[in-house]
Amino acid sequence: GAVVSQHPSWVICKSGTSVKIECRSLDFQATTMFWYRQFPKQSLMLMATSNEGSKATYEQGVEKDKFLINHASLTLSTLTVTSAHPEDSSFYICSAVELGTGYEQYFGPGTRLTVT
Amino acid sequence: TQLLEQSPQFLSIQEGENLTVYCNSSSVFSSLQWYRQEPGEGPVLLVTVVTGGEVKKLKRLTFQFGDARKDSSLHITAAQPGDTGLYLCAGGFNTNAGKSTFGDGTTLTVKP
Repeated sequence: GAVVSQHPSWVICKSGTSVKIECRSLDFQATTMFWYRQFPKQSLMLMATSNEGSKATYEQGVEKDKFLINHASLTLSTLTVTSAHPEDSSFYICSAVELGTGYEQYFGPGTRLTVT
Repeated sequence: TQLLEQSPQFLSIQEGENLTVYCNSSSVFSSLQWYRQEPGEGPVLLVTVVTGGEVKKLKRLTFQFGDARKDSSLHITAAQPGDTGLYLCAGGFNTNAGKSTFGDGTTLTVKP
């Protein structure tokens, strides 16, 4: 149980284009989903908190107009990197908290984004 | 700002050795999780501790939550190459709707 998927697992795009990453909880409903960014050999950096049916809450320093988050249902959240630049290249990971549990996060496998 | 400090940051040991990773904070957490992450993959939840003084065992891994719920340790007995990875601790608060504070991680390498 508690499986989270991400799609795509890796993507290469050209500078200036937009990329959408999907995060799905496959066998549970998620109250909240989180989006993280991770640089090599470093810990997770929280970008935003996503709640179904409401606007995402962004961490300080994260541009909400650049990283668009949509949480359309209790099992799906999407992150769109708009007008991507090479510095946006990174490993993006989502996690989900199961409805009613409150604290354990289950992570997706991550998406490797490379902007050329 | 709630900070979680992990130590050591990097650890390289031989197969069969024992090791302990520490996670310390000045904040009191409602719960604390330990995750293991392999390169190119997402973190995998190992354990959740919620009670001060709690000890949980998962095969060769022993997790302890401090009495004051400010710190935790992960002890691995007879480490194996398959234990290699990034270990992350994360502290949570009941009022934060699942949002956790993550430590900087400990990169463990177990050499055969």
